[in-house]
Amino acid sequence: DSGVTQTPKHLITATGQRVTLRCSPRSGDLSVYWYQQSLDQGLQFLIQYYNGEERAKGNILERFSAQQFPDLHSELNLSPLELGDSALYFCASSRGTGDYEQYFGPGTRLTVT
Amino acid sequence: GQQLNQSPQSMFIQEGEDVSMNCTSSSIFNTWLWYKQDPGEGPVLLIALYKAGELTSNGRLTAQFGITRKDSFLNISASIPSDVGIYFCAGHYTSGTYKYIFGTGTRLKVLA
Repeated sequence: DSGVTQTPKHLITATGQRVTLRCSPRSGDLSVYWYQQSLDQGLQFLIQYYNGEERAKGNILERFSAQQFPDLHSELNLSPLELGDSALYFCASSRGTGDYEQYFGPGTRLTVT
Repeated sequence: GQQLNQSPQSMFIQEGEDVSMNCTSSSIFNTWLWYKQDPGEGPVLLIALYKAGELTSNGRLTAQFGITRKDSFLNISASIPSDVGIYFCAGHYTSGTYKYIFGTGTRLKVLA
């Protein structure tokens, strides 16, 4: 158990809809990272937040948005959903912004029909 | 998106054998990391490397940060059935654009 929690574990929804994925980092970690893992693309870094502020951006689509709240949990919003958004979404956390040792949550499996 | 090249893509080995896999890139990285992912779970950090030429061990695992900073390898000695899974390398640098890029993965299957 990495100490990172993600909800929900599974999500099935339709194209055009909106979903929110939630992540709670390990106790004491200030950075949260979001990743998308699909069969044909591997693990893709989406975005990083550090202590409530956006710190780095990867391959995040404009249809996706994220934020980190004062209690350090983070949410990833995806809307409007497309079929190609079906994937595993992982959240990871680390102590600071310069720490490259990331601890991953169990993931949310999103299926868009 | 950009990915690091990992080889081999997959391998079957006998229990007790040593395993070697590597990761290469056209870009320089400041940090190399190796993760293992079991089915249905998130990646777990195995080893982190912070300096070119660094050789680090974690139990039966040994990893090295290439001198050119463009590659890294991971060795597993005396493999056991629980070594089964997908191994990912990841490279990180923050010169200008932040990058944390994962490899394509090596799927390891151990035959008892």
